[in-house]
Amino acid sequence: QLQLQESGPGLVKPSETLSLTCTVSGGSISSSNYYWGWIRQPPGKGLEWIGGISYSGSTYYNPSLRSRVTISVDTSKNHFSLKLNSVTAADTAVYYCARPGIAGRTGYFDYWGQGALVTVSS
Amino acid sequence: DIVMTQSPDSLAVSLGERATINCKSSQSVFYSPNNKNYLAWYQQKPGQPPKLLISWASTRESGVPDRFSGSGSGTDFTLTISSLQAEDVAVYYCHQYYSIPSLTFGQGTKLEIK
Repeated sequence: QLQLQESGPGLVKPSETLSLTCTVSGGSISSSNYYWGWIRQPPGKGLEWIGGISYSGSTYYNPSLRSRVTISVDTSKNHFSLKLNSVTAADTAVYYCARPGIAGRTGYFDYWGQGALVTVSS
Repeated sequence: DIVMTQSPDSLAVSLGERATINCKSSQSVFYSPNNKNYLAWYQQKPGQPPKLLISWASTRESGVPDRFSGSGSGTDFTLTISSLQAEDVAVYYCHQYYSIPSLTFGQGTKLEIK
């Protein structure tokens, strides 16, 4: 059974960089051309797609966050990572990693991590 | 961006009764070459990640009870729970994956027991 687990600091200072890693178990990140994704959810609010990456490093980014986001992949460690720079309080959210149910493009998400709450505060 | 608008924002339904949640997209999410609507529905309970219920507007995921059904095409979609159970209390989201790289979600509909 495929499992995804987010990890990283739960508190980030304003103007600094948020960094999270999603470790995949129960399957290889390289097994098919999935665009592994990041989605976030501010407390009490809705879902926002951040972006996705394939095992080869090809990426899609939400245009509204593109200037601040970098998603990378490390197939040797079977994980992919998110960096969001110049954070503000508005970036406080639960960050989920997820796998789409469609190979070759991003799409709906059928496997999700449990989520990691990241708070931006001094 | 394609804007997804759900209605209502919240809904209270009696146990055993039908619950209907609507989702309207600002542009069509139907792709005619493959005759598919790029629309999914998720259920989210407190403290949990979203759970995929339906993809392609009407394809129920394995293990999802058949009281959940999706319908619609183009810009107008509906999630129906035919007979509400206590465990269905949750927030429900629609999601369009037609427009890359601008995937978007509806604002959510909170479903409660009346």
